[in-house]
Amino acid sequence: EPEVTQTPSHQVTQMGQEVILRCVPISNHLYFYWYRQILGQKVEFLVSFYNNEISEKSEIFDDQFSVERPDGSNFTLKIRSTKLEDSAMYFCASTPWGDPSSYNEQFFGPGTRLTVL
Amino acid sequence: GQNIDQPTEMTATEGAIVQINCTYQTSGFNGLFWYQQHAGEAPTFLSYNVLDGLEEKGRFSSFLSRSKGYSYLLLKELQMKDSASYLCAVREDTNAGKSTFGDGTTLTVKP
Repeated sequence: EPEVTQTPSHQVTQMGQEVILRCVPISNHLYFYWYRQILGQKVEFLVSFYNNEISEKSEIFDDQFSVERPDGSNFTLKIRSTKLEDSAMYFCASTPWGDPSSYNEQFFGPGTRLTVL
Repeated sequence: GQNIDQPTEMTATEGAIVQINCTYQTSGFNGLFWYQQHAGEAPTFLSYNVLDGLEEKGRFSSFLSRSKGYSYLLLKELQMKDSASYLCAVREDTNAGKSTFGDGTTLTVKP
């Protein structure tokens, strides 16, 4: 069964450093998302991406964040200058959307645990 | 925006039935999802409701009342492996259909 993959599974970085989190969405899906979950808290929406541009973004997704689909398969989240409060699990998700045969639920990747020291 | 409420914790006995409630106030609505999340893992899809009524899927059922802004997830014949967090998520009626999640209900199944 196709699945969303994410690398790395765990990233440790120093405050102020740039990180890039990588995702490979399911191949025939059209919409891609990034969510984050701080330990013990709820899943929070960051950004959605469709047709090579941002569709929506939350207040969390400020100028320090950017997303890119550099090729036909990868979808990346970049944090330019990490802060301690960026420590969280980051989930990538994708959905076919508009497929009448499915619920168009979001399929989540396994997550990248980001630790900022 | 969205406001989603669900109980923080619930405990139930193996073999029993448990109902996890979710209430929501939304500015837009295009369906409600229930996800299961084990500690340290990604949410996995359980059910989806967009019309009022009950959807049954094996041991899991989900109910929606749009007029009341209310949903529940019913788990039957509980097993120890059902111990997890259960997330209620409302999909907004935007182009990309992003979901807003509740805080989750941590269910502990005891022998």
